[in-house]
Amino acid sequence: EVQLLASGGGLIQPGGSLRLSCAASGFNVNAYAMGWVRQAPGKGLEWVSIISGGGDNTYYADSVKGRFTISRDISRNTLYLHLTSLRAGDTAVYYCAKTTLFSSPRHFFDYWGQGTLVTVSS
Amino acid sequence: DIQMTQSPSTLSASVGDRVTITCRASQSINSWLAWYQQKPGKAPKLLIYKASTLQSGVPARFSGSGSGTEFTLTVSSLQPDDFASYFCQQYHSQLSFGGGTKVEIK
Repeated sequence: EVQLLASGGGLIQPGGSLRLSCAASGFNVNAYAMGWVRQAPGKGLEWVSIISGGGDNTYYADSVKGRFTISRDISRNTLYLHLTSLRAGDTAVYYCAKTTLFSSPRHFFDYWGQGTLVTVSS
Repeated sequence: DIQMTQSPSTLSASVGDRVTITCRASQSINSWLAWYQQKPGKAPKLLIYKASTLQSGVPARFSGSGSGTEFTLTVSSLQPDDFASYFCQQYHSQLSFGGGTKVEIK
């Protein structure tokens, strides 16, 4: 059974950094492209980043480019999102999600984790 | 960037109603469109991909149609479990989501 368990969220001051983790089970993170999607409180969904199954291609939304970094650890079967230079506008629930392809950055998500809340506030 | 516009933003309906939600793209996305259902406090759930392909395990009362710039999600007979929010997502060029449609009880 495919499962994704996100963690690492919390309250962080503007300008701070945080690393989110997403532990996968039921499949290998190097077999599919995976990504992060966020949702600000009471708002819609916003795609954040995708990493290819090979780990050699990464893609970012313009709103986070240069500040967020996606990565994964095959030995831990875990996806990460490193958030830096955080702003109030980054406050959201961050979901990790699996795609159905190995390398395409343009795809949909068939499994989602439960989300982890990041609150950026002083 | 491709903008996705959903309508209506809120829809009031009763159990047994036929419900249709529309999603429009700012430019052609062929059939590269997915639909998700989300309940409060939960992660989104994939319903349909490639505009009209039903994800495994999703009830047949859900269906999707359209291509190019206009798409619809239809629930043929609304069930109590279907009161939720629905989002479309294009994957033709990068990724982007519609603003969502909340289906509430009339």
